Amino acid sequence: AQSVTQLGSHVSVSEGALVLLRCNYSSSVPPYLFWYVQYPNQGLQLLLKYTSAATLVKGINGFEAEFKKSETSFHLTKPSAHMSDAAEYFCAVSGQGDYKLSFGAGTTVTVRA
Amino acid sequence: EPEVTQTPSHQVTQMGQEVILRCVPISNHLYFYWYRQILGQKVEFLVSFYNNEISEKSEIFDDQFSVERPDGSNFTLKIRSTKLEDSAMYFCASAYLTGVDSPLHFGNGTRLTVT
Repeated sequence: AQSVTQLGSHVSVSEGALVLLRCNYSSSVPPYLFWYVQYPNQGLQLLLKYTSAATLVKGINGFEAEFKKSETSFHLTKPSAHMSDAAEYFCAVSGQGDYKLSFGAGTTVTVRA
Repeated sequence: EPEVTQTPSHQVTQMGQEVILRCVPISNHLYFYWYRQILGQKVEFLVSFYNNEISEKSEIFDDQFSVERPDGSNFTLKIRSTKLEDSAMYFCASAYLTGVDSPLHFGNGTRLTVT
């Protein structure tokens, strides 16, 4: 079975500061890992995904994530936060390479002016 | 860009009533999914559907739940006799292929409130 754990249910950053959202995974097989963002009253939008190619994955809106097998982590970063980054972020894992995804509990990001 | 459309955005129903949540996936997509998110909890996989059959379902997806693609464009989730604990946001999603190389598109969700 596959699962992910997101550390921190709420992160507050200043505009222009680094955004770091933590995700650790557990998987008995090589995982496929995802980060999704959810803006209020909207669906889940894919930020980026890891599918066993490059370990550093670049996504939309300036986000990137690094797959570290030794740490079983897939943390999401953005060098400089923007007010529009305020949203809820979900890490997810698939062990089968399909879309039976297991999601983390989510991290809400607020950005202070 | 094509979108997955879900209606209604918010549905209120009484306990014990049947409810149907509707989704229009992207037109050339072949794989369809329902997920749900109970307030304050994780997004959970419910069911996947392909070629007019359920491909996989979770433990949550018991006999009270059913899915259907009645007319080639809509994809519905029916809850036969709603319980208070069915209150959640329900997300429909679709993809052209089943593998993760094919993007998965989510709808904006239907918030179901069971009173």
